[in-house]
Amino acid sequence: KAGVTQTPRYLIKTRGQQVTLSCSPISGHRSVSWYQQTPGQGLQFLFEYFSETQRNKGNFPGRFSGRQFSNSRSEMNVSTLELGDSALYLCASRGAGGGRYEQYFGPGTRLTVT
Amino acid sequence: QQQVKQSPQSLIVQKGGISIINCAYENTAFDYFPWYQQFPGKGPALLIAIRPDVSEKKEGRFTISFNKSAKQFSLHIMDSQPGDSATYFCAAGTGYALNFGKGTSLLVTP
Repeated sequence: KAGVTQTPRYLIKTRGQQVTLSCSPISGHRSVSWYQQTPGQGLQFLFEYFSETQRNKGNFPGRFSGRQFSNSRSEMNVSTLELGDSALYLCASRGAGGGRYEQYFGPGTRLTVT
Repeated sequence: QQQVKQSPQSLIVQKGGISIINCAYENTAFDYFPWYQQFPGKGPALLIAIRPDVSEKKEGRFTISFNKSAKQFSLHIMDSQPGDSATYFCAAGTGYALNFGKGTSLLVTP
């Protein structure tokens, strides 16, 4: 079974621009969560989507948004980029049933804001 | 407010030794406690996880010890190997959202 894939892997943007990141979950997984990883703050939960609905949201400003499509693929959008948004953005997918708690991460998208 | 506190921040262990990483959590509603291993340039990989109805779980050289009353849990890596050198994260949550510790950088020397 293929793992979680994220595109692009690397991205360089300028302050003020917006960016869209993409995540394809493991086949059969319907839950997708997004995390931001920085050296200072570590791994922080952004939001979770299940069946195209946002179920949980972390403590991030409204500039961070996401959506999920009917095939469970998810996108994350950051508008009006700030220098502090430079981070590794990780997507994790989760299945159902007995393994519903286990989250599997993708390789991440490294975003650099200049 | 940090929901999960992890220590130590870094750890150096000789090959064959035992690596121990500790975590403490605040929220008694948490019912899922996984450990992740992350190598440079990679996403975190699920290593082992425990639910609060058991006090210990062992998978190969990796063991989680869980103390519900103290709200603490730890990862023990037996017979540590240089290939175990990585950053380890503990997490706690309800399954829908995980709260991560800050991570422990483990170096296993030959």
